[in-house]
Amino acid sequence: GAVVSQHPSRVICKSGTSVKIECRSLDFQATTMFWYRQFPKKSLMLMATSNEGSKATYEQGVEKDKFLINHASLTLSTLTVTSAHPEDSSFYICSARGTGTAQETQYFGPGTRLLVL
Amino acid sequence: AQSVAQPEDQVNVAEGNPLTVKCTYSVSGNPYLFWYVQYPNRGLQFLLKYITGDNLVKGSYGFEAEFNKSQTSFHLKKPSALVSDSALYFCAVRVLYSSASKIIFGSGTRLSIRP
Repeated sequence: GAVVSQHPSRVICKSGTSVKIECRSLDFQATTMFWYRQFPKKSLMLMATSNEGSKATYEQGVEKDKFLINHASLTLSTLTVTSAHPEDSSFYICSARGTGTAQETQYFGPGTRLLVL
Repeated sequence: AQSVAQPEDQVNVAEGNPLTVKCTYSVSGNPYLFWYVQYPNRGLQFLLKYITGDNLVKGSYGFEAEFNKSQTSFHLKKPSALVSDSALYFCAVRVLYSSASKIIFGSGTRLSIRP
């Protein structure tokens, strides 16, 4: 199946700093990428949807100025958590959807665990 | 509102027995349905999907799911459970909005297989 990678897998940062998480589709072109947040023992909450070359669409309640998303190419999307605070600590998972036969299936990255001290 | 529900937080099954993880959905139009599995501290792995065709869909690791339109259900099944099947399982449905689509997830069901 299609492979999606995320980097870093784990990051610890101080409160007030910014953290960038990369999401890459390794063997297919991702026309659309999704960013999710998952709290412990909870389901995935969709934060935003991004299409290559256009602005991301944020879900209600998600601060676009805090969670900056860039989908610069068909294989790379980044999520930047700006001025991170302890309440931003979470498991962030990206997902990518391609074209053709892969169009209806979203493939997920392994996730990035963010801890803000 | 379009949604997907997993009524069971946890399912416990003895190894070798059949397992079922339940999922019901509510969407407008024809549903696109998915099952994903998540192991601890990992992302989601795609198991199977239903878009059209046979109501019984076969997927990875011996799992299958049955689409039932009248009951708006898409239960995940496996004839003989393995201890290694223990994980968190998510049912998901594609919803349409504007000219795009996105997948929304159920709350998840933790499957525990005892030896």
